[in-house]
Amino acid sequence: DAKTTQPTSMDCAEGRAANLPCNHSTISGNEYVYWYRQIHSQGPQYIIHGLKNNETNEMASLIITEDRKSSTLILPHATLRDTAVYYCIVRVEGVNPRLTFGEGTQLTVNP
Amino acid sequence: NAGVTQTPKFRVLKTGQSMTLLCAQDMNHEYMYWYRQDPGMGLRLIHYSVGEGTTAKGEVPDGYNVSRLKKQNFLLGLESAAPSQTSVYFCASSTGLAGGNQDTQYFGPGTRLTVL
Repeated sequence: DAKTTQPTSMDCAEGRAANLPCNHSTISGNEYVYWYRQIHSQGPQYIIHGLKNNETNEMASLIITEDRKSSTLILPHATLRDTAVYYCIVRVEGVNPRLTFGEGTQLTVNP
Repeated sequence: NAGVTQTPKFRVLKTGQSMTLLCAQDMNHEYMYWYRQDPGMGLRLIHYSVGEGTTAKGEVPDGYNVSRLKKQNFLLGLESAAPSQTSVYFCASSTGLAGGNQDTQYFGPGTRLTVL
C-alpha cells in the first residue's frame, strides 16, 4: 500500500465544511483512495473511495487531484457527531485483506 | 437493514475459559473479517473468510479459531483465554466484488473483552 501523509489534527466549526487533506505522492495507477473514520470507542466506518474521478455520496465528497498525488475529503456541513479520527488509505484492491490504518487526522468539530 | 452486528457487546472472562463471539451481517456479503484493536493501536487482522465454508489466517491468528458455516455469520472462538487477549474485537464484511468494493469494509460496533 502506498504511504499517506495526513495532518495530525484539525478543527472545524459546526455547520461549516471540513476539508481533510491527504498526500499520497507514490500512488500507483491501480491503487484506490479510501477514507474511513473512527469515532471514539466505535467500529471504523467506511466513508468513500475513488480511483481517478471525484466521488460524492450521502456522507462526503472526495476530490482527487489530476496527478492523483493528493486528495481531499470534504464533509459539507460538519456536525458535532463528525468528531472522529479520519483515515486516508491507499491500496491495490484485493491484494491484502487487512485494512491498515495509519495515524489519521483527529477532526474536532466545535459548536 | 442492521448491517453488521456483534454479540456480546461486553464480556469478562477468567484465564483459561473459552467463549465464542458472534458476528452477523445482513448485506449478503461474501467476505468477512475479525480484527482486534488494543488501546492506542491500530487494527490487527485475526482471521478472515472469502465465502461460506472458507476461512484463512490473518496477522495474529494464534489462540483463536473461526467458522463460517452460514454466509451471514462468522464466529470467533477463544479456546483458552489469556490476559493478552484483552482487547476490543471488531467484525467487518465486504462484498468481495471488484471495482473498489472488496476493500470497502463495513464494521460492527465491537465486543469489549477483558480476560482476568
